[in-house]
Amino acid sequence: SQQGEEDPQALSIQEGENATMNCSYKTSINNLQWYRQNSGRGLVHLILIRSNEREKHSGRLRVTLDTSKKSSSLLITASRAADTASYFCATVTSGGYQKVTFGTGTKLQVIP
Amino acid sequence: SAVISQKPSRDICQRGTSLTIQCQVDSQVTMMFWYRQQPGQSLTLIATANQGSEATYESGFVIDKFPISRPNLTFSTLTVSNMSPEDSSIYLCSVGKTGTLGEQYFGPGTRLTVT
Repeated sequence: SQQGEEDPQALSIQEGENATMNCSYKTSINNLQWYRQNSGRGLVHLILIRSNEREKHSGRLRVTLDTSKKSSSLLITASRAADTASYFCATVTSGGYQKVTFGTGTKLQVIP
Repeated sequence: SAVISQKPSRDICQRGTSLTIQCQVDSQVTMMFWYRQQPGQSLTLIATANQGSEATYESGFVIDKFPISRPNLTFSTLTVSNMSPEDSSIYLCSVGKTGTLGEQYFGPGTRLTVT
């Protein structure tokens, strides 16, 4: 079963605008990751935030994590047409091997 | 980084038949993962494949339906047996990134359609 629920399910914006996607999860985590998938192909890892971190940046990406609310957000600034893809949050729980559980995903369309 | 290839990239199969998907990694890895992604859905972990031991299956997935081989540290296969249209999905293999907290590299996926 999915650990993460994402919203919105779909998002359409104009190029240059910012895109924000949210992820909520159910159980305690070791870290939370965001992945991108282009057109039903393999996933690409974007960024990882540990449970003791609150915010992380990577280029045009900004991720926040609120463990008290069990939620995270991914902000893509100054979006480009090439950012059109599906974005998935994924949680890693503590203990044993690091099993990754994927959320439901947000489909982002950036209109040129 | 790890480079992962999968074969075939896509296939159309008849119900009742079986398909074996291959996953090749360009470096030795301990754990390999197989996921299923049904149309428009997220990824669901099928099983974890360790070299030299039986694969560990997630709830809802059984070895008779999805037998997995892991003959060495760079290769694994997933077989989808006795297929039905409900098995139409993208099947992805991935490997864990060494020394990280669970980051994974993914193969390009195998798009399976069962008619």
